[in-house]
Amino acid sequence: DVKVTQSSRYLVKRTGEKVFLECVQDMDHENMFWYRQDPGLGLRLIYFSYDVKMKEKGDIPEGYSVSREKKERFSLILESASTNQTSMYLCASSPGTSGVRNEQFFGPGTRLTVL
Amino acid sequence: AQRVTQPEKLLSVFKGAPVELKCNYSYSGSPELFWYVQYSRQRLQLLLRHISRESIKGFTADLNKGETSFHLKKPFAQEEDSAMYYCAPPSSGGGADGLTFGKGTHLIIQP
Repeated sequence: DVKVTQSSRYLVKRTGEKVFLECVQDMDHENMFWYRQDPGLGLRLIYFSYDVKMKEKGDIPEGYSVSREKKERFSLILESASTNQTSMYLCASSPGTSGVRNEQFFGPGTRLTVL
Repeated sequence: AQRVTQPEKLLSVFKGAPVELKCNYSYSGSPELFWYVQYSRQRLQLLLRHISRESIKGFTADLNKGETSFHLKKPFAQEEDSAMYYCAPPSSGGGADGLTFGKGTHLIIQP
């Protein structure tokens, strides 16, 4: 089974802090994704990566950055956390077969609260 | 741009009643669509995909190109079906694309 793990289930930070959310997958997937999940807004894509050191902006990248130094790890960085970044953050991965619509495998999520 | 719409934020039905969760898409190519489900305190997971034409947990979803819909249906709802359901739209091609999810429908099955 594909396993996607996220470093924290719950996180509380203060406004202005730098926050790191880590995601690791163990199935050698090429693609990795970061979403935030908010009631009434569904899932919104922040960033994705289709290879090591590659990244692409999603729908809401403002205030976030990402890092993919190793294939299995995809980090989401909040440079200066703000209260409107309080949310559930979901990481996902999928195989990278080009032209094929692939299922995404999700981590358990990190609930971030910014005070 | 590809779009997927789930018009219902909340759907409440009684146990044993039929369920239909609506999803409409806009796409000019050949769509491949997914339904994902998130049960309480569990991770988001694939429920079914259009291309497999299978029934999972009693749910089916038929792609209707004329109506550009991919509604999720189950003839007799069960309490354990209560969850958030997300429709996922067609790919833009290539394995690098993320999924632009619908906003989700919260399904509540009343006893």
